[in-house]
Amino acid sequence: QITLKESGPTLVKPTQTLTLTCTFSGFSLSTTGVGVGWIRQPPGKALEWLALIYWDDDTRYNPSLKTRLTVTKDTSKNQVVLTMTNIDPVDTATYYCAHRDLNRGWFDPWGQGTLVIVSS
Amino acid sequence: EIVMTQSPGTLSLSPGERATLSCRASQSVSNNLAWYQQRPGQAPRLLIYGASSRATGIPDRFSGSGSGTDFILTISRLEPEDFAVYYCQQYFVSPLPFGPGTKVDVK
Repeated sequence: QITLKESGPTLVKPTQTLTLTCTFSGFSLSTTGVGVGWIRQPPGKALEWLALIYWDDDTRYNPSLKTRLTVTKDTSKNQVVLTMTNIDPVDTATYYCAHRDLNRGWFDPWGQGTLVIVSS
Repeated sequence: EIVMTQSPGTLSLSPGERATLSCRASQSVSNNLAWYQQRPGQAPRLLIYGASSRATGIPDRFSGSGSGTDFILTISRLEPEDFAVYYCQQYFVSPLPFGPGTKVDVK
């Protein structure tokens, strides 16, 4: 059974750097074809895809946020870390991580999400 | 970049009625289209992949169709737990945008 769980700060000040961790079980990020994605959802709004990292360290980013995002993995810890720089109140959202198989393409399953509020 | 649109924005129906949700891609994604359901306060969950295949554990009242640029999600008879927001997403090529969602609410 695959599970994922996001963790990180609930409150972040504007201009700071946000670091979120996705801890997963039931699969390995050293397995060919496996990836983990990040998706966010501002309160009352739609889902927005942010980033992906694959077993081979290949990364993909949402072009509109690319300059602010970095995603890395720690295979030994079964973790993926998303870093977002220069945080702004518009970045207030629930952040989700999700499992992705390159040979399939869809996100399944998802973590429960973690709410991040950006405020001074 | 591929842009996803969904219609209608809100669908007001009664339990037992049929729901038909539309999703359109700005260019062909073949059948690389997924549908997700998000109930209030919950994370999204996969309903349909490959435009028409139901994910594990998804009831057969949910069905998907379409290919290329136009896709449909049909819920044959709405159950109380089906009132939620539904998102489509293309996974043909990165970036991987979601549609804006269709909210199915109680009439």
